[in-house]
Amino acid sequence: AQKVTQAQTEISVVEKEDVTLDCVYETRDTTYYLFWYKQPPSGELVFLIRRNSFDEQNEISGRYSWNFQKSTSSFNFTITASQVVDSAVYFCALSEGYNNNDMRFGAGTRLTVKP
Amino acid sequence: KAGVTQTPRYLIKTRGQQVTLSCSPISGHRSVSWYQQTPGQGLQFLFEYFSETQRNKGNFPGRFSGRQFSNSRSEMNVSTLELGDSALYLCASRDGGLPPSGANVLTFGAGSRLTVL
Repeated sequence: AQKVTQAQTEISVVEKEDVTLDCVYETRDTTYYLFWYKQPPSGELVFLIRRNSFDEQNEISGRYSWNFQKSTSSFNFTITASQVVDSAVYFCALSEGYNNNDMRFGAGTRLTVKP
Repeated sequence: KAGVTQTPRYLIKTRGQQVTLSCSPISGHRSVSWYQQTPGQGLQFLFEYFSETQRNKGNFPGRFSGRQFSNSRSEMNVSTLELGDSALYLCASRDGGLPPSGANVLTFGAGSRLTVL
């Protein structure tokens, strides 16, 4: 069965600090996709990144970077030089197979960036 | 391109009533999924519709149902409301077709927040 664990319930940092959000997943499938979504107070989940199980390359997008390690079943998300606008709840999610919309979400990590 | 639109955004019902929520997907997207978000259970998958057919279903009682129309718009219905049905209901759409079309990247709407009294 698929499962996603985000052990950090809440994180609070001061602006310009770097912060890493942890995500550990469980799956028996060899083909799966991992995602990160951001949920600001407005409620809408905003897609940040998708990785498939065959691509362990780390990715950087501006201040955001992702570290995917199959050996430890982790898909961690780092925000460099955090800003107040980064304050939100961040969800890691797992989808098994290619066309499966039954995404399992972690419990989310609430990030608060203080000025 | 317009995003995923959900209506109504907020609603209040009483126990025993029923409710219908609507979702208009991104133009061209044929797959619509529904999720329930509560503080206790987090985000849980309800069901997915593709080309007017339910393609996948989560572990929810039969009181939760949905449908999809020929224009890909979708509705979900909850009958005999219970206090525990109070939640944010999120709709998400994607192309849903075969590779390589944007595989399973869901675009979410802002949600319908249901309060059951």
